[in-house]
Amino acid sequence: AQRVTQPEKLLSVFKGAPVELKCNYSYSGSPELFWYVQYSRQRLQLLLRHISRESIKGFTADLNKGETSFHLKKPFAQEEDSAMYYCALGRGSTLGRLYFGRGTQLTVWP
Amino acid sequence: DAGVIQSPRHEVTEMGQEVTLRCKPISGHDYLFWYRQTMMRGLELLIYFNNNVPIDDSGMPEDRFSAKMPNASFSTLKIQPSEPRDSAVYFCASSLTPGGYTGELFFGEGSRLTVL
Repeated sequence: AQRVTQPEKLLSVFKGAPVELKCNYSYSGSPELFWYVQYSRQRLQLLLRHISRESIKGFTADLNKGETSFHLKKPFAQEEDSAMYYCALGRGSTLGRLYFGRGTQLTVWP
Repeated sequence: DAGVIQSPRHEVTEMGQEVTLRCKPISGHDYLFWYRQTMMRGLELLIYFNNNVPIDDSGMPEDRFSAKMPNASFSTLKIQPSEPRDSAVYFCASSLTPGGYTGELFFGEGSRLTVL
């Protein structure tokens, strides 16, 4: 069965510090991994997808199939990064749905 | 396009009352999802539709919950009777695909339900 685990419900860092939001998944097939973000008073929206290998707002995430992880990283956190972050797993099929983790609330202190 | 539109934005009701949440997906999107967000359980998929047909309702908590999609531009999520533990933010999302490959679901602003 597929599962997404985000071990931290809450994460706090100071502005300028590195930040890493952890995501582990379980799925025996070829996964597609995504990060969603929900800023205060805004809609939940797609932040980045592993297949794009892109950096969005300074965030990157590398899929590590050996460790079944897809951690979200940013070298220097900003106050505007404070938000709820969800990791999501797709099964690599156009017919498959997304599976979300429980989310991590990131707070960046000034 | 205004995006996915949900109503009401906030609902406060008393235990035992019927609650109806509404959603208008983005025009042209074939998939519609209902999610529930709580602090304890995070984001849970309740049900999703493809071309107005329910595909997976395994996340619907119990018989008190029901969802319909009478046409491509409208869906409802009904709770009858409501209970305090149903208090949560309910999100509707729509997409061109189920999302498992592209990952892109478009979410509404949510309906915050409080059951007293």
